[in-house]
Amino acid sequence: DAGVIQSPRHEVTEMGQEVTLRCKLISGHNSLFWYRQTMMRGLELLIYFNNNVPIDDSGMPEDRFSAKMPNASFSTLKIQPSEPRDSAVYFCASSFFSGGAAGELFFGEGSRLTVL
Amino acid sequence: AQSVTQLDSQVPVFEEAPVELRCNYSSSVSVYLFWYVQYPNQGLQLLLKYLSGSTLVKGINGFEAEFNKSQTSFHLRKPSVHISDTAEYFCAVSGSGGSYIPTFGRGTSLIVHP
Repeated sequence: DAGVIQSPRHEVTEMGQEVTLRCKLISGHNSLFWYRQTMMRGLELLIYFNNNVPIDDSGMPEDRFSAKMPNASFSTLKIQPSEPRDSAVYFCASSFFSGGAAGELFFGEGSRLTVL
Repeated sequence: AQSVTQLDSQVPVFEEAPVELRCNYSSSVSVYLFWYVQYPNQGLQLLLKYLSGSTLVKGINGFEAEFNKSQTSFHLRKPSVHISDTAEYFCAVSGSGGSYIPTFGRGTSLIVHP
């Protein structure tokens, strides 16, 4: 089975531009997490979806960030407008949760974003 | 609320030496515990997990961890490390009582020297 697929792997953009990161979940998984990783702050949970519904978006830094899950297998994270402080590696992870049982998270390889 | 503390940000060790990476957690409910490894320029992958049962958990690549409820710890150990074990290691906790969103520690960088 293919794992979690993220694109692009690397993105370099200029401040003010819109950035869209994409994630394809593992087939059969029903939960989707977006994380951001930086040296300063470590691994931060941005938003979590369960069955396509956003459950917890308290980690989204500000209104410039938005995430969608238009279907059960695909998600996007959009930053508009981007700022240099958004530079980080963004990870998508999927899992299957049922009845409160904690599942293993399967991570993609990440999208490294550099905003100049 | 739950939290994870990884006591060491960096652990240098020589090849073939034993290593222990420390993890302490706090949670108001029963917990599930995980160790993930991140190799350079890759995503995190599961090393091992504790859900219930035996407190000694064995994972991939010769790693094991022991759940200690009284000390709220879940330390990761390997009796003999290899150069290829050089990576970032993350401890994570989720609550079995419904707060199943995992909380990650800050990570420990294991550096294996030849």
